[in-house]
Amino acid sequence: GAGVSQSPSNKVTEKGKDVELRCDPISGHTALYWYRQSLGQGLEFLIYFQGNSAPDKSGLPSDRFSAERTGGSVSTLTIQRTQQEDSAVYLCASSFPGHEQFFGPGTRLTVL
Amino acid sequence: GESVGLHLPTLSVQEGDNSIINCAYSNSASDYFIWYKQESGKGPQFIIDIRSNMDKRQGQRVTVLLNKTVKHLSLQIAATQPGDSAVYFCAETGEDSNYQLIWGAGTKLIIKP
Repeated sequence: GAGVSQSPSNKVTEKGKDVELRCDPISGHTALYWYRQSLGQGLEFLIYFQGNSAPDKSGLPSDRFSAERTGGSVSTLTIQRTQQEDSAVYLCASSFPGHEQFFGPGTRLTVL
Repeated sequence: GESVGLHLPTLSVQEGDNSIINCAYSNSASDYFIWYKQESGKGPQFIIDIRSNMDKRQGQRVTVLLNKTVKHLSLQIAATQPGDSAVYFCAETGEDSNYQLIWGAGTKLIIKP
């Protein structure tokens, strides 16, 4: 595709529900990243996929967060039993390793 | 990866003046540095990059300066325009970090009319 796409663009959910956020990276990019950004703050690294290597999950804030990357392309970030503090913009980026990351528009998650 | 959860510092600049945004990076072994611009409601966008074998690189209205001695990176924007209002992030990477980007805290640039 022309760029990184994410869906949905906005998600409102109730506390305790599970949510799935999707990222379609740029075709051919082997690296994929998930970040979280709260209002007025910087980027918080969550997880990094590179090719067929085991993902770097060191940024996931709790075991309620998980992510998969199927076939080295599309990735899904799942948040189970959502809490209000999970409300943020979730950004996905893809790149060739060691090169600039291209970001998607993000998914704005609101947990009521 | 790194987590950045601090409130952003702010730089206010008069329209038409030059802006200088500074960043102190953390790893002396980093060999690639990038500046990103994030406008409200959008994901970060690449502005300019520089490799560690250079100390200056120029783009259109933007210049990045790298001082490896003091681990300092700066972004200069010439003749600042209202459209330059955004949050600017520096990022570093290298073999030490497995080529993941390590992000700076970001600076919010406000343009005064």
